[in-house]
Amino acid sequence: KQEVTQIPAALSVPEGENLVLNCSFTDSAIYNLQWFRQDPGKGLTSLLLIQSSQREQTSGRLNASLDKSSGRSTLYIAASQPGDSATYLCAVKLNSGNTPLVFGKGTRLSVIA
Amino acid sequence: DTEVTQTPKHLVMGMTNKKSLKCEQHMGHRAMYWYKQKAKKPPELMFVYSYEKLSINESVPSRFSPECPNSSLLNLHLHALQPEDSALYLCASSQLRDRGSEAFFGQGTRLTVV
Repeated sequence: KQEVTQIPAALSVPEGENLVLNCSFTDSAIYNLQWFRQDPGKGLTSLLLIQSSQREQTSGRLNASLDKSSGRSTLYIAASQPGDSATYLCAVKLNSGNTPLVFGKGTRLSVIA
Repeated sequence: DTEVTQTPKHLVMGMTNKKSLKCEQHMGHRAMYWYKQKAKKPPELMFVYSYEKLSINESVPSRFSPECPNSSLLNLHLHALQPEDSALYLCASSQLRDRGSEAFFGQGTRLTVV
């Protein structure tokens, strides 16, 4: 059974710092991996999608990497801002089609001004 | 348009009420999902629809009844709920093939059962 782990569970950093969020998964045979952001009481916003054949994806200040063989992904946030404060969720999809996502428990990020 | 729209945003219902949650997307996605999320926990899968047919039911109690009337709409009918069913209910959609099956989520319905 696929299990997804996110470390750390919570993180507090001063504004302007670069930071890395970690995600690991037990079964390396994934179809894709997706990073989401969730603000309190809100839905999930898709940040980056990495296909199993890709090594990284970038969007603005965000960069996500994928190492399938070691079962790891990282989300790098450059020059963090208070508006980046949210919970970040990592999720993997095992197959194409309607196979549902398997989520980690998330990392709660606080960026202090 | 990458939007999944859920209504209502908030719902308070009694244990004897019947209510429905609605979800709509116009991205041409043929897979739609219902998730339940409790505070400070990740989303938990409830149901999956593929081509308007129920393909996965994660042993959800029958007081939750999903419906997919067409390829753009997904409903969740609620009846005789318990206070422990209070949660954020999230709808999501994705392509069934091509484009990497990126999942898009709605903003959720905050349900309180009293």
